[in-house]
Amino acid sequence: GQNIDQPTEMTATEGAIVQINCTYQTSGFNGLFWYQQHAGEAPTFLSYNVLDGLEEKGRFSSFLSRSKGYSYLLLKELQMKDSASYLCAVRDSNYQLIWGAGTKLIIKP
Amino acid sequence: GAVVSQHPSRVICKSGTSVKIECRSLDFQATTMFWYRQFPKKSLMLMATSNEGSKATYEQGVEKDKFLINHASLTLSTLTVTSAHPEDSSFYICSASWGQGHTEAFFGQGTRLTVV
Repeated sequence: GQNIDQPTEMTATEGAIVQINCTYQTSGFNGLFWYQQHAGEAPTFLSYNVLDGLEEKGRFSSFLSRSKGYSYLLLKELQMKDSASYLCAVRDSNYQLIWGAGTKLIIKP
Repeated sequence: GAVVSQHPSRVICKSGTSVKIECRSLDFQATTMFWYRQFPKKSLMLMATSNEGSKATYEQGVEKDKFLINHASLTLSTLTVTSAHPEDSSFYICSASWGQGHTEAFFGQGTRLTVV
């Protein structure tokens, strides 16, 4: 079956750096997405990786290793507004998005 | 990024009634729309995929007669929850895309359905 694993919850301090990991096992691979979702709201797109390596976008970076079935989202200079759930999703061979359960990130002052 | 509008954002209905949720792509033509359901503290669960002009493809375990999906045009898809029951109360989210390449899914704002 298809499976995406990410930690359920993480806690970090304002101003610090946090890395959220995602491992996946899917039938085929056509890209990996990271989304941010605040409680009661729809997800918003953060990043997309299809080739190995690091994609940087401001305070957020995302890394992919296809051979290891592994990705991480790196958040720098954490702000209180970064408190949210972070969803990892993989697009499989049928171009369907397979979603992880999400990582709830709690930022403390 | 592209804009997807979902309406209504919140709805409360009585058991046994039907509720229609609209999903519109405002600035692009959505060849494919997806409908998700999300329970509290859980991930998105894909309910169905709809392509303009054709019947929706439902995921296993999703009743197509209960969750009616219509994708009448390239900018509009609707989800109708028929004969709603309290267990149908959930957060419903639509997303839209226009191809299979690097096109992230753009999400609507979501609809919080409460059946009383």
